[in-house]
Parts: sequence; structure tokens; C-alpha cells
Amino acid sequence: DAGVTQSPTHLIKTRGQQVTLRCSPKSGHDTVSWYQQALGQGPQFIFQYYEEEERQRGNFPDRFSGHQFPNYSSELNVNALLLGDSALYLCASSLGGSFNQPQHFGDGTRLSIL
Amino acid sequence: DQQVKQNSPSLSVQEGRISILNCDYTNSMFDYFLWYKKYPAEGPTFLISISSIKDKNEDGRFTVFLNKSAKHLSLHIVPSQPGDSAVYFCAASGGNAGNMLTFGGGTRLMVKP
Repeated sequence: DAGVTQSPTHLIKTRGQQVTLRCSPKSGHDTVSWYQQALGQGPQFIFQYYEEEERQRGNFPDRFSGHQFPNYSSELNVNALLLGDSALYLCASSLGGSFNQPQHFGDGTRLSIL
Repeated sequence: DQQVKQNSPSLSVQEGRISILNCDYTNSMFDYFLWYKKYPAEGPTFLISISSIKDKNEDGRFTVFLNKSAKHLSLHIVPSQPGDSAVYFCAASGGNAGNMLTFGGGTRLMVKP
């Protein structure tokens, strides 16, 4: 039973560039959420995708956008990268039709901005 | 405004003893609470959860207690093992927060042999 998989594992970009991170949810899950975790802090919610639409969004600028595909996989896009975007980006999947179900996380993509 | 707080950044416990990790929240609309464990270079691993209609949930060595009046939850690990050494995050969701998880800052647990 495959868990949540994310790619790439690590990524180095420079300021102003654009980046795309990818996520495949756990088998049987249809909802994908993205989180940003800065060093020494808890993860911060970016947005959640369900039925190929953004269902909920956290306090992140429009530079952060996403997409969900018919097979439930998802992408996170960040434009005009800033130094402060350096963080671990985590993807989590869950069953969208049910509330009060745990989200299961991948191992993340470590993004470094130079 | 931090809605979920873990006031102890670290905790050290002897192997075999009880570990108690604490978490406080301010949003009374939260109705689902979770604990995650995180090892370096890995994503958070779900441990245990509790709905606001309960005050206790057990799963093996792990028990979560919820005190809604105090807006406080705790995770008890008995007996603690060296493999439990990790960073533990509490998280909450529900109410006006919907499905998004709001995390605390984490507590680093060290279990000494």
C-alpha cells in the first residue's frame, strides 16, 4: 500500500524563479493538502484540493498556486521565489468526503532559495 | 496569533517512564485533534487523534486526553522507549477552520536508555 509520495526530494532555486512540486496521494485518498514548514516551526497550511478544485486556502499570497489532476495527484507552483520561501514543503492526503479523518503526510520537498 | 501552542520545546525522559506532552489551543470551534511524530528527514507520521465528543482515546502505549473547558490536550506515552525520540506536533481542525490542520510548534522528546 503506497503512502504519500513527493518529488523531488530536494531542490535549489534562485530568487525570482518559479518551481513546481509534485505529490501522489495515498492509495484510496482523494484530497490533497499542502503545508510549508520553516525550520523549527510547525507546518503551515497553504491550501487543499478536492475534486480538482481548491477547497480551502491558508494565509499565503497568490504566488502560491496549485492543481489537482483526475487521478488525485497534485502540484504546488510557486512563482517569483523569495529567500523566505526556503522551507520544507509537505503534502498530505485524506478522504475528502469525511471530516475528522487524519491526514497522512509525505516526506516533503526541501526547497532552498539562493 | 498562534491558535495551537506547545509551550515546552523539549522534554527528556528515562526509558520505561511516562512521557507527557502538552498542547493548548485558543479556538473553541476546533473539534478534532491529532498528534504527529516527526523524525529528521521524514514527514510527520500520524499517531493518534481524538474527537471533541470524547475526553480520552487510547492506542497501545499512546493515550490522548482532551480537556475542552481548559482548551488543553495531552499525549501520554507509557512506557517510553528510545525509539520514541522525535519531535511531536499537536494539530487541530474543524469549526471555522474546516479541514485545514493548525499545528503547534512541536516538542522534541528525548528518551534516554
